[in-house]
Amino acid sequence: KQEVTQIPAALSVPEGENLVLNCSFTDSAIYNLQWFRQDPGKGLTSLLLIQSSQREQTSGRLNASLDKSSGRSTLYIAASQPGDSATYLCAAAPMEYGNKLVFGAGTILRVKS
Amino acid sequence: KAGVTQTPRYLIKTRGQQVTLSCSPISGHRSVSWYQQTPGQGLQFLFEYFSETQRNKGNFPGRFSGRQFSNSRSEMNVSTLELGDSALYLCASSPPLAGAYNEQFFGPGTRLTVL
Repeated sequence: KQEVTQIPAALSVPEGENLVLNCSFTDSAIYNLQWFRQDPGKGLTSLLLIQSSQREQTSGRLNASLDKSSGRSTLYIAASQPGDSATYLCAAAPMEYGNKLVFGAGTILRVKS
Repeated sequence: KAGVTQTPRYLIKTRGQQVTLSCSPISGHRSVSWYQQTPGQGLQFLFEYFSETQRNKGNFPGRFSGRQFSNSRSEMNVSTLELGDSALYLCASSPPLAGAYNEQFFGPGTRLTVL
């Protein structure tokens, strides 16, 4: 059974700092790994999707890496801004029939101005 | 293109009642998945429908059921509501692309409160 863990649970940083969010998963049999952002009380916004055959994906100030063999993914946020404050969730798509995501508990990020 | 829409956005029910939530996928998408998000358990997969058939199911009791219509719209039903069913219910749709897994696009969710 796939389990996804995120560390740290919460993070508070000053504006401008570069930061790394960590995600680990127990079963390497995944189609891909996805990072989402969730603002309080809202739905999920997809940030980056890394296919199992890829090592990393970049979008603007965000860079996500994937190491399937060790069961780890990291989300790197460069030059953090107060608008980046949100909960960041990683989710693994296990190799099962159909579309399904297994989510971590999330990292609550606060960027102080 | 309009995104995934969910109705209603907020709902208050009492224990023992039943509730039906609706999800309209992005136009052209045929897969709809449902998730429950609670502070204690986080985001958990409920089930997925594709072309009106349930294709995958999470570990939830039989009180949770769903269906999908020919236009790909989906409904989720919870019978005999319990306090612990209070949650944000999210649905996601996926395009019918070739491949084993397709990216999911999430709606804004329905906030259900059970009193």
